[in-house]
Amino acid sequence: DTGVSQDPRHKITKRGQNVTFRCDPISEHNRLYWYRQTLGQGPEFLTYFQNEAQLEKSRLLSDRFSAERPKGSFSTLEIQRTEQGDSAMYLCASSPQDRTQGQYFGPGTRLTVT
Amino acid sequence: AQSVSQHNHHVILSEAASLELGCNYSYGGTVNLFWYVQYPGQHLQLLLKYFSGDPLVKGIKGFEAEFIKSKFSFNLRKPSVQWSDTAEYFCAVNNNDMRFGAGTRLTVK
Repeated sequence: DTGVSQDPRHKITKRGQNVTFRCDPISEHNRLYWYRQTLGQGPEFLTYFQNEAQLEKSRLLSDRFSAERPKGSFSTLEIQRTEQGDSAMYLCASSPQDRTQGQYFGPGTRLTVT
Repeated sequence: AQSVSQHNHHVILSEAASLELGCNYSYGGTVNLFWYVQYPGQHLQLLLKYFSGDPLVKGIKGFEAEFIKSKFSFNLRKPSVQWSDTAEYFCAVNNNDMRFGAGTRLTVK
């Protein structure tokens, strides 16, 4: 399977705990994106990387959120001190350098904060 | 700021009916436009895209979309829908980030 993969697919955590999600992009894609999607809404942009450099962050990405892509391959998204409002689907996408090619999405990680 | 508006939240059609889903965007620069589809239980898939040239673009599964610059619109169309087209459809605009509309849920009965 050469698509975008995400792990875990589901995560249930208690409020106040830290969680970390992983995304493995399509291998030849140098751009990687994180989105959050809540019920009835389209995906909301969080951040993106070009290779290992984090080039843009949304104001939605509070200081409890941090994303890394240390070697320009896989990426992690960590949420510290989770809140119930963090419950959502977290989507990862990748694309080649040419933005006109669109982004390829993974299956997402569904986070439930109890 | 960029924004994307999708006019219909839920559309219900009978098989063989024609489909048009509206999408308007707000952005003054050069835009790349996309329609994504999410079938039940599956992840987002690219349906079609526009970045330049012929404003009428054709995508997979018989879908097409027309870019009308003067109206800031990129409506999705299909002449005859099938039951298997039941899904959520998202319009998106891309510059450095991708801005999505809220989505339109299509039910084909």
